[in-house]
Parts: sequence; structure tokens; C-alpha cells
Amino acid sequence: SQTIHQWPATLVQPVGSPLSLECTVEGTSNPNLYWYRQAAGRGLQLLFYSVGIGQISSEVPQNLSASRPQDRQFILSSKKLLLSDSGFYLCAWSVLEAGGLYFGPGTRLTVL
Amino acid sequence: AQSVAQPEDQVNVAEGNPLTVKCTYSVSGNPYLFWYVQYPNRGLQFLLKYITGDNLVKGSYGFEAEFNKSQTSFHLKKPSALVSDSALYFCAVSAMDTGRRALTFGSGTRLQVQP
Repeated sequence: SQTIHQWPATLVQPVGSPLSLECTVEGTSNPNLYWYRQAAGRGLQLLFYSVGIGQISSEVPQNLSASRPQDRQFILSSKKLLLSDSGFYLCAWSVLEAGGLYFGPGTRLTVL
Repeated sequence: AQSVAQPEDQVNVAEGNPLTVKCTYSVSGNPYLFWYVQYPNRGLQFLLKYITGDNLVKGSYGFEAEFNKSQTSFHLKKPSALVSDSALYFCAVSAMDTGRRALTFGSGTRLQVQP
């Protein structure tokens, strides 16, 4: 069966510091991978998605970036965090376009 | 552009009563529709989906949803609510004929089931 991992689970970072969040998927090949951000415990905003290694589509211009160095690895990064980057970051995967998304456990990021 | 509206921020229902969480959508073309549930500080869990076929879709934990094309709605329902159903519920949509390959989510509805 498929499993998706995210780490760390929680993170507290000062403004201006770098960020690296990692997501890996097990039990599937060539998944579509996604990064969403959830602010204030409500709506989800799609940040990036990837249909293959090295292929990244950005939905919202901002100081975040994403990379996919391996088939089942998706990384969210920032060179300098802003206060507004605080939120709950969710990684998700899908294989079939009609199959919906399957989410990881999330990373709670607090920028102080 | 595709969009989802969940008109109620919160729904309150007594345990044992039926519940409905509303969702309407807007897409170009035929929709894929989904419901997810989120418990505090957890990722989203898939409940059910509509792709094609019967308008009434049955999912996990006794939930079901009815697709209504003329009203562009996909309301989530359960005949008898449990206290453990209390959580945040998200409706999501994707268009069949788009290459975007990602879901657009509604703003979420908090379901509170009172004992």
C-alpha cells in the first residue's frame, strides 16, 4: 500500500531564516506530487505541483520554491522566511487524475 | 477557472440526527468532485468522490454525497451523526478536461455534533 511521509512535524523558525520541508511517497511510481498550505486552520492553497522529476509548476508567486530531485521526493524550500509563511503545509500525491489526492500528515510551521 | 463554495462556516447537529454539509462548484466541463475530512493538526482524509455514474455516492464512515448537475451541487450527508464526526470538512473539484491535475478546495465547514 502507498504511504506518504512528511517531516518535520512541527517547526519554529525566525524571520529571514531558510526553510526545507521534505515529502516522500512509498509504494507507487511516477506520482503527481503537490504542496498545499493551510492558513488559520481553514482553506487550502495550492503552492506547487509536479508531474515528474524536475518538473515543477508554481501556482502562486512568492518566496517559496519546490524541487523534485527523485521520483518520489518533493521538497519545499525558502531562502528567507517571512511571517506570512506561517501555516500548515500539506504534501499530497495522486496517480490517476480522477483518483483524488492523498495527503501526508502535514508540517506545522511557525515563523517568529 | 474552477471554484468551490461551502456557504456554511459551521454546522451544528445533535447526535443521532441527520446532517448535511453543503457544497457548490463551478468548472468548465464535467467535474470530478471530492469530500475530505480533517481532524485537528492532521492531514486531510479522503471520504468519497464522484467521477461518473450514479448521482448518489457512498463513502467512508457512513457518509454519502449527492451530485446534482443542474444545481452544480455536491452536498455531503449522513443519516445519523456521531460525536466523533465532529471535524473540518472540505469539498474539492477538478475538471475532467483540464491539464491542471490539481484539486481546488472550498474554504471548509466545521461540523460540530453535540451529544
